[in-house]
Amino acid sequence: DAGITQSPRHKVTETGTPVTLRCHQTENHRYMYWYRQDPGHGLRLIHYSYGVKDTDKGEVSDGYSVSRSKTEDFLLTLESATSSQTSVYFCAISGGTGAPNTEAFFGQGTRLTVV
Amino acid sequence: GNSVTQMEGPVTLSEEAFLTINCTYTATGYPSLFWYVQYPGEGLQLLLKATKADDKGSNKGFEATYRKETTSFHLEKGSVQVSDSAVYFCALSDNTGFQKLVFGTGTRLLVSP
Repeated sequence: DAGITQSPRHKVTETGTPVTLRCHQTENHRYMYWYRQDPGHGLRLIHYSYGVKDTDKGEVSDGYSVSRSKTEDFLLTLESATSSQTSVYFCAISGGTGAPNTEAFFGQGTRLTVV
Repeated sequence: GNSVTQMEGPVTLSEEAFLTINCTYTATGYPSLFWYVQYPGEGLQLLLKATKADDKGSNKGFEATYRKETTSFHLEKGSVQVSDSAVYFCALSDNTGFQKLVFGTGTRLLVSP
């Protein structure tokens, strides 16, 4: 299994509070991604990173920010959580060999509930 | 923009039945196509992939052929097992080099003994 650890695995938070989810990899992969999974939508890309301090927006980036200060860590922050951000969040990594279209490996997911 | 459409589920089959899960896509250029599987409580795992037209991806008895003329990548398995019960996602990746994935909505497969 690819070495991807997401933390926390479960979190309940109140509306309006800040929340940070962490993704840690031990594979030295170049690319890291945050997706959210919702019924009827599959997985949708929030933000991605193509190197340290290099990030870009995905399809559903509003209300989220990210940071990548080290190759192994990619943080997703909800500045002020809303109920619409209740979801399961998956981190993924790819690009281990630098070749295009290589396999993406997914973490176990973080279930976030905003009440 | 790019999109993936896959059949809604759940798909309910008896063990040893034939499986087809339909997937069609819309994309500019020449995307790569993937099937991912998600078992309960877990993340997604790559099941198979195809990177160019007419390629056939296969793994664990599952297969899918990249059909550019019909923009399809249907998943098939000749004889399903109870252990195949999971959610299956069709996805595409454009060739920008960032390997961003666009997913379908997922199809739940339930196999009964």
